[in-house]
Amino acid sequence: ETGVTQTPRHLVMGMTNKKSLKCEQHLGHNAMYWYKQSAKKPLELMFVYSLEERVENNSVPSRFSPECPNSSHLFLHLHTLQPEDSALYLCASSQDPAGTIYNEQFFGPGTRLTVL
Amino acid sequence: RKEVEQDPGPFNVPEGATVAFNCTYSNSASQSFFWYRQDCRKEPKLLMSVYSSGNEDGRFTAQLNRASQYISLLIRDSKLSDSATYLCVVNGKAAGNKLTFGGGTRVLVKP
Repeated sequence: ETGVTQTPRHLVMGMTNKKSLKCEQHLGHNAMYWYKQSAKKPLELMFVYSLEERVENNSVPSRFSPECPNSSHLFLHLHTLQPEDSALYLCASSQDPAGTIYNEQFFGPGTRLTVL
Repeated sequence: RKEVEQDPGPFNVPEGATVAFNCTYSNSASQSFFWYRQDCRKEPKLLMSVYSSGNEDGRFTAQLNRASQYISLLIRDSKLSDSATYLCVVNGKAAGNKLTFGGGTRVLVKP
């Protein structure tokens, strides 16, 4: 596997379900990110982990819970979501720790989430 | 004013023509800029990074105008495969070097 991978690629869940999204980066990068992309809206940053520490939580509802067990893996745990949470969830990684200007980010293919 | 603003388009471009479009940003302390390309239902892919006045990579040229706070992307000799949405991304020092994404400019190259 190369680059940034995400599983599952598609997910349909009910509002009472609990599910997790997984992201893995094979680039040796130091920072990982979760973004949400809704239809006709710009990408919204959700969480940032730099050197395995959470450095940013962009006022995301508590029904989204991130986990970064090591520098290569990032999870997004989902519970009691709402239909408006349906979106494309993208994971990204960058070489430099978050907070530098050389913040070239590389994205995974995303998980398309539908909440019924 | 939005932090990063782009004309959503679409820009309809004949194959072989040149197209250029701008992105304006509100944070004058922004230090680095990126252009990403996003195909329909795919992830954004880094096209170009701009840390000084501009950058050029083959048919693609990015120009930064700090005084007027905009960055442009020019595509020469457009190919059908250039059809995509182009995302302008700004790294704002005041925002802790957080990346802020524009809404994207859609480009359609037609034969």
